[in-house]
Amino acid sequence: GESVGLHLPTLSVQEGDNSIINCAYSNSASDYFIWYKQESGKGPQFIIDIRSNMDKRQGQRVTVLLNKTVKHLSLQIAATQPGDSAVYFCAENSGNQFYFGTGTSLTVIP
Amino acid sequence: EPEVTQTPSHQVTQMGQEVILRCVPISNHLYFYWYRQILGQKVEFLVSFYNNEISEKSEIFDDQFSVERPDGSNFTLKIRSTKLEDSAMYFCASSTGHGYGYTFGSGTRLTVV
Repeated sequence: GESVGLHLPTLSVQEGDNSIINCAYSNSASDYFIWYKQESGKGPQFIIDIRSNMDKRQGQRVTVLLNKTVKHLSLQIAATQPGDSAVYFCAENSGNQFYFGTGTSLTVIP
Repeated sequence: EPEVTQTPSHQVTQMGQEVILRCVPISNHLYFYWYRQILGQKVEFLVSFYNNEISEKSEIFDDQFSVERPDGSNFTLKIRSTKLEDSAMYFCASSTGHGYGYTFGSGTRLTVV
């Protein structure tokens, strides 16, 4: 089956710095990807999505980059804030379900 | 902003008992899902539901599990005879389109003792 994995399980950044969270996926047929943020005790919260016909998509303080050649996805958070501390998952759409990675825990140091 | 509502937030049950987890999806969404997350592990797909029937299910979703949309607003997950390994966070999600733009609920923490 498909697998979605994250390169780094934990990431610590200084407040105000930019954060980059990476994700590898294995199914080259996947055509839709989402980054989710999960705070402790809460459900996954949609951050940003991207379709496979795009390389880059920007939101408010966040950018997702998709490299289909190497099946790699990244999430960039600009000017990271303490409220950004959470676990971040990438999810890959295949059929009618998403496959989630294990997550990267982002800690923002004030 | 519309949200997916799940109840209860925490359910403790004895092994072998039946549990029903409840969800109210966003009102104009047509696709409904259950996922689970065992503590410290990744979110795993259980089942998707569309047009009053299961459209896809994972290996986890065995005969002990069932889903129902008993009325126009609720979407339920039933576990017939709970096992210790069913302890997890269970997330309901809904979407407007096929795999597009899910919204997740806050989850129900199920603890089987």
